[in-house]
This record gives sequence, C-alpha cells and structure tokens, in this order.
Amino acid sequence: GQQLNQSPQSMFIQEGEDVSMNCTSSSIFNTWLWYKQEPGEGPVLLIALYKAGELTSNGRLTAQFGITRKDSFLNISASIPSDVGIYFCAGLDGDMRFGAGTRLTVKP
Amino acid sequence: DTEVTQTPKHLVMGMTNKKSLKCEQHMGHRAMYWYKQKAKKPPELMFVYSYEKLSINESVPSRFSPECPNSSLLNLHLHALQPEDSALYLCASSQVYGQRAFFGQGTRLTVV
Repeated sequence: GQQLNQSPQSMFIQEGEDVSMNCTSSSIFNTWLWYKQEPGEGPVLLIALYKAGELTSNGRLTAQFGITRKDSFLNISASIPSDVGIYFCAGLDGDMRFGAGTRLTVKP
Repeated sequence: DTEVTQTPKHLVMGMTNKKSLKCEQHMGHRAMYWYKQKAKKPPELMFVYSYEKLSINESVPSRFSPECPNSSLLNLHLHALQPEDSALYLCASSQVYGQRAFFGQGTRLTVV
C-alpha cells in the first residue's frame, strides 16, 4: 500500500513558537486530512484539503495540499499549551492511510 | 453535528468472555469503519461497511466479528480475545466511502 512519511516524529517547543510538520507519499492522493489526537480520545479532524495547491486555515492552523499531490504540510502559529497532542496526516484515495504522527509538546 | 458516539469508553474482559463494542452516528453517513490503535501508533483499519454491507475486511482474525444492524449503528463483537488485542478501538464514519471521516472517542479495551 501507499506509504506516508510524516516528520518530525516529535517536537518540543516553547509556548508562542510556530510549528511546522509535513507528510510525503510515494503516490498521489485525492484528499489530504490532518487530525489531532489527545490522550485517551479519538482523532479530531482539523483540516481537509481537496485540490492540489490548496491552502486552508482553521484559526491558528494552516495546511497546504502540495502541487504534486504527494505531500502536505501543517503549520501552527503562536503555539499554546492546549496544542499538545499527536498530529496525524492522512491521505485519501478510496482508502485512508495515516502517517506515523507528530507528537507535539508545548512548554509554558 | 459531527458526532460519533462509542460505548463503552473502557472495557476490561477475560480471554473467555464475549463482549460487544457499539458505535452510533446520526449524520446520515453511509460508510462506517472500525480501526484498532496501539499506543504511539496510527489507527489501523479493520473493517469498512458501505451502505450497511461489509466491503473491506483487512485480514482481521475471526475473534473480531463486525455487524451493521442499520445505517446508524455499528457493532464489533469480541470473543476469545488475546492480551495482545488490548488497544484503543475507534469507530469512524463518512458521508460515503472514501470521504473525510469523523472518529468517535474510542473504547479502551484491556484483555486479561
């Protein structure tokens, strides 16, 4: 199946800093999704991207669908402690494939 | 409303027990999914129901038996599980198969 490479694996940042994470694939996807998961909870959909080159924002979050359709990135601006969690990218092409996740820790 | 409700939230069961996990959505979604998630790993697809029919079974052992009684409900029947089956079991739904999915809170299953 298609492999998604998500990086970085983990991030330790200071409150107020910006965060950037990305996903790359060996194959193209029709849709890219970004989820956040907190301990003991299910993933929550943050942003959905449907077209190559699309740039979409949700509050302090911004995500882009790569032009090649093989990658996507997520930026979080001015991080706050409640941003802590694991962020998963997912590519949709019929099936949904997840990246391994980026574990974000925000120090106050 | 993008809510998918799973019950119970926690479940501890012995290896000889039979139990069921339940999932409900009222968004009119016609695709529903079961995922298994181990600690520090992404969710792994187990089953897909599309229009109440099982369309994908990702080579899941027969001790896991899914059921879709109607378009709003999805069950996962558990029997003779092993300790390595302990995990977070997630239900998700989407408008139709292949579209963005919304997840429930999950059921934390511990097999003893």
